[in-house]
Amino acid sequence: DGGITQSPKYLFRKEGQNVTLSCEQNLNHDAMYWYRQDPGQGLRLIYYSQIVNDFQKGDIAEGYSVSREKKESFPLTVTSAQKNPTAFYLCASQPQRGQHNEKLFFGSGTQLSVL
Amino acid sequence: DQQVKQNSPSLSVQEGRISILNCDYTNSMFDYFLWYKKYPAEGPTFLISISSIKDKNEDGRFTVFLNKSAKHLSLHIVPSQPGDSAVYFCAASWVYNNAGNMLTFGGGTRLMVKP
Repeated sequence: DGGITQSPKYLFRKEGQNVTLSCEQNLNHDAMYWYRQDPGQGLRLIYYSQIVNDFQKGDIAEGYSVSREKKESFPLTVTSAQKNPTAFYLCASQPQRGQHNEKLFFGSGTQLSVL
Repeated sequence: DQQVKQNSPSLSVQEGRISILNCDYTNSMFDYFLWYKKYPAEGPTFLISISSIKDKNEDGRFTVFLNKSAKHLSLHIVPSQPGDSAVYFCAASWVYNNAGNMLTFGGGTRLMVKP
């Protein structure tokens, strides 16, 4: 079955530690996105990538880093510079770059908490 | 500044009645609007969309209305069912930087349908 897989489902981070959230898709989608959801708030864009080896900052990129070495994979690293990392992180993909095709397909999310 | 706003954080309706979820936007560049449904600890799933050239789109129990002059859209669910209880996100899209379509999300409305 095609889809987006995020792992782990739950992750705990210690002070000063970098952690990496995995996102893999087998939908052959060009574009991939990382969003953050805080309780009672909407989805805020962290980073996005429209094509392999290229990515752009979203609205709240500070304290995060990404890579896009393969079409299928778009991992997100939450660095120690992110002072308030506790949130629900969602990865999404979109079929084609440049097309008027806005529907996003989301993974099931990773809940990150600080110890 | 929030370009997409859902001013009601929660809504409670009786099973069988109509649920009306509202969304306002400020950016006149938006030309496509979507609604997503999200259950706790899961990723959002696409529900229904509408292009700016239309004022209504219907899919089964779900209808989205768009009032461009008022920059307002609404989602109607008739009849409401307990399984509809979830958080509903409104999202708006525009062609960004000739490279794809960016979605801007509202803050979400939690719908509770009482049996």
